[in-house]
Amino acid sequence: GENVEQHPSTLSVQEGDSAVIKCTYSDSASNYFPWYKQELGKGPQLIIDIRSNVGEKKDQRIAVTLNKTAKHFSLHITETQPEDSAVYFCAASMQGGKLIFGQGTELSVKP
Amino acid sequence: ETGVTQSPTHLIKTRGQQVTLRCSSQSGHNTVSWYQQALGQGPQFIFQYYREEENGRGNFPPRFSGLQFPNYSSELNVNALELDDSALYLCASSPVRQNNEQFFGPGTRLTVL
Repeated sequence: GENVEQHPSTLSVQEGDSAVIKCTYSDSASNYFPWYKQELGKGPQLIIDIRSNVGEKKDQRIAVTLNKTAKHFSLHITETQPEDSAVYFCAASMQGGKLIFGQGTELSVKP
Repeated sequence: ETGVTQSPTHLIKTRGQQVTLRCSSQSGHNTVSWYQQALGQGPQFIFQYYREEENGRGNFPPRFSGLQFPNYSSELNVNALELDDSALYLCASSPVRQNNEQFFGPGTRLTVL
């Protein structure tokens, strides 16, 4: 079935440390994998995405890796700052234009 | 460039009533998707509209329906509201349907009493 598993559900790091969030998807036809950041009371904000023809993508402190064979993709945030604190969601594209989301990771960056 | 906007921000209804939520897509975006986000969960896909027609649908009953207008704005209608319909309803627009990139609005918080 269509499923995206995301881990961990909560993550607490010290300012300046790195944070890694991992996702696994079920549908081998998925070819687009976005990551969203959602702050309290706001809609999800697209922060980075990767397509199936690429293994890694980086944007300043944020990077995403994709292993199509294992159906895994991960978000890496380096040099974390308190403003990185939020809930992060991974997603995978499915037929019909839908995105299937993971359960979310609540990241807390302690100053 | 104006992002995705949604109205109203908050809404309180009673069980059995009907509700209409509205979404204006980002400038230049022709595809609109609707999602339901229960507290503490990831968004769940309801449906997508492209060229004023439903392009795909998630696992939601027919009492969830939608419209897309020629200016690409959209409405989500929910009939016979149930307590479990209480959630944040998110609209997302896409510049090109095929590339799957979706940009979300702030959402409408619906409470059903």
